Amino acid sequence: AQSVSQHNHHVILSEAASLELGCNYSYGGTVNLFWYVQYPGQHLQLLLKYFSGDPLVKGIKGFEAEFIKSKFSFNLRKPSVQWSDTAEYFCAADQSGGYQKVTFGTGTKLQVIP
Amino acid sequence: DAGVTQSPTHLIKTRGQQVTLRCSPKSGHDTVSWYQQALGQGPQFIFQYYEEEERQRGNFPDRFSGHQFPNYSSELNVNALLLGDSALYLCASSGTPTEAFFGQGTRLTVV
Repeated sequence: AQSVSQHNHHVILSEAASLELGCNYSYGGTVNLFWYVQYPGQHLQLLLKYFSGDPLVKGIKGFEAEFIKSKFSFNLRKPSVQWSDTAEYFCAADQSGGYQKVTFGTGTKLQVIP
Repeated sequence: DAGVTQSPTHLIKTRGQQVTLRCSPKSGHDTVSWYQQALGQGPQFIFQYYEEEERQRGNFPDRFSGHQFPNYSSELNVNALLLGDSALYLCASSGTPTEAFFGQGTRLTVV
């Protein structure tokens, strides 16, 4: 069965540190990939998405992710985190050509210490 | 412009009862998906509705059913509630295949 794995369940960083959150998926064919963020008390918001083209995807708030097909990975990065980035981050994948049947990872809780 | 709205925000039900959750999609969106998010887990896809038909379904039993109305709003029904059905239920709407917007969710507690 298709699956999405997030390796880090809880990450604690100091402000200005660099961030990389790992994500691996288990699909063999064409896949669409997403990163969502859920700030405390708020709904899920799309950070960025990859459908095709340039494997380096830039999203909102300075986040970016790189799709590496050979490694089945879609890691999220940010060069310098801020306290306001404290949230839970979800990687997700869809193999059906769009928002048809999205599979989410278990999430990574990021805590940024001022 | 209202985003995705879900009602109620919280509810408590007794095991064996039935529950109906509601979702109004973002204006202009015709596709509604439902997800279940258990504590400490990522959202799990339940099903998706488009043009009043169930288009895709995840690995959920038939106790979970849904409906989409002509105005694109949607309901999620769960029969014979189990304690394990306690979760946050999320609705997402989309107007194109490339983007979806999530509501705040309905927190269901089964006692």
